[in-house]
Amino acid sequence: RKEVEQDPGPFNVPEGATVAFNCTYSNSASQSFFWYRQDCRKEPKLLMSVYSSGNEDGRFTAQLNRASQYISLLIRDSKLSDSATYLCVVNGYYGGSQGNLIFGKGTKLSVKP
Amino acid sequence: GAVVSQHPSRVICKSGTSVKIECRSLDFQATTMFWYRQFPKQSLMLMATSNEGSKATYEQGVEKDKFLINHASLTLSTLTVTSAHPEDSSFYICSASSDRDNSYEQYFGPGTRLTVT
Repeated sequence: RKEVEQDPGPFNVPEGATVAFNCTYSNSASQSFFWYRQDCRKEPKLLMSVYSSGNEDGRFTAQLNRASQYISLLIRDSKLSDSATYLCVVNGYYGGSQGNLIFGKGTKLSVKP
Repeated sequence: GAVVSQHPSRVICKSGTSVKIECRSLDFQATTMFWYRQFPKQSLMLMATSNEGSKATYEQGVEKDKFLINHASLTLSTLTVTSAHPEDSSFYICSASSDRDNSYEQYFGPGTRLTVT
């Protein structure tokens, strides 16, 4: 089983649509979870951290289910500028030392006018 | 704040030559820097982790003698690809983090696109 798995997409949606991305991770000891977005040929940029209680930032809502080892990202009222690849990222925290970020392959989103 | 720069942004070199890539944290001191590589349509793969003043820790399958990492100061790490070959052509991205607030957030540089001919 891959450490971080995502549906690769692409998701092609019209402007204004709601789209949801899912991600599963294999290491139950993982402590920190993130969604990054990566534009073509650019570095990844942090979109939001994901907390157990769920968190919302404008049109973006992230949820974490530790029991199922599952993370989700919901984008409401999608904009053309949301077109990018969304990376599910997990940080493994092992015994008091900073772990490494494990990246999923990403889910490509294309928002059409 | 938390800006990371990389230089060069793009480099083309001939097979057998060496290339050095610099990663700088511009407005904070980075206790740890990470080097990633991303092939087309693949996920970012961690190559190595380096802490200032100590030897880098390489991920399995990454040749430490081929990918030389130096983290001489809290704001600069370098990756040297020695005797580059076409299969080393990739997008190399560094990130930097500070343990000041126990945050695991990493700040990414803009990446360096290496093409070996």
